[in-house]
Amino acid sequence: SQQGEEDPQALSIQEGENATMNCSYKTSINNLQWYRQNSGRGLVHLILIRSNEREKHSGRLRVTLDTSKKSSSLLITASRAADTASYFCATDASGGSYIPTFGRGTSLIVHP
Amino acid sequence: DTGVSQNPRHKITKRGQNVTFRCDPISEHNRLYWYRQTLGQGPEFLTYFQNEAQLEKSRLLSDRFSAERPKGSFSTLEIQRTEQGDSAMYLCASSLGGTRGYTFGSGTRLTVV
Repeated sequence: SQQGEEDPQALSIQEGENATMNCSYKTSINNLQWYRQNSGRGLVHLILIRSNEREKHSGRLRVTLDTSKKSSSLLITASRAADTASYFCATDASGGSYIPTFGRGTSLIVHP
Repeated sequence: DTGVSQNPRHKITKRGQNVTFRCDPISEHNRLYWYRQTLGQGPEFLTYFQNEAQLEKSRLLSDRFSAERPKGSFSTLEIQRTEQGDSAMYLCASSLGGTRGYTFGSGTRLTVV
């Protein structure tokens, strides 16, 4: 089954810096979503970008989608210690399966 | 309605025992999903319901696993004859579909000893 793969696997930055995470996937999609997961907890939906969109913003988050390269990026600007978490991309394949498929995630640590 | 609720939060069981988890989705959500997540990995799809119909089940899912969603409301996931390899976080998510994303519960952490 299709799977998004995040890169890098781990990212360590200082508070105030920007964090960029990338996601690559294999086949055509309806949409791509980004989620955050704090240690031992459930996933929190951050942002959804449709296949006909190229960029989307939500607060300090900026997501881009390049369907020709089958890739997406998540940028967190002016990071805070509270942004420390794992971040996952999930893809909904085109064809109507309605089953989001997740990658292994990027573990982000923001040092105060 | 405050979101997706999962019970119990933690379950420790002996190998060979049966366990059952419950998920209460957001009431108006017609789609419900079960995922399994192990340490350092992303959530792995187990099964999907639309209303009360189980529309898809992962090929990786052993026949020891069964899920139900009677009346299209809450769902249960049962694991029979648990094995140590079943130790994981079991996540439930619900959705209305479209572009609204999926709402996840906090999960049930299963430890098989």
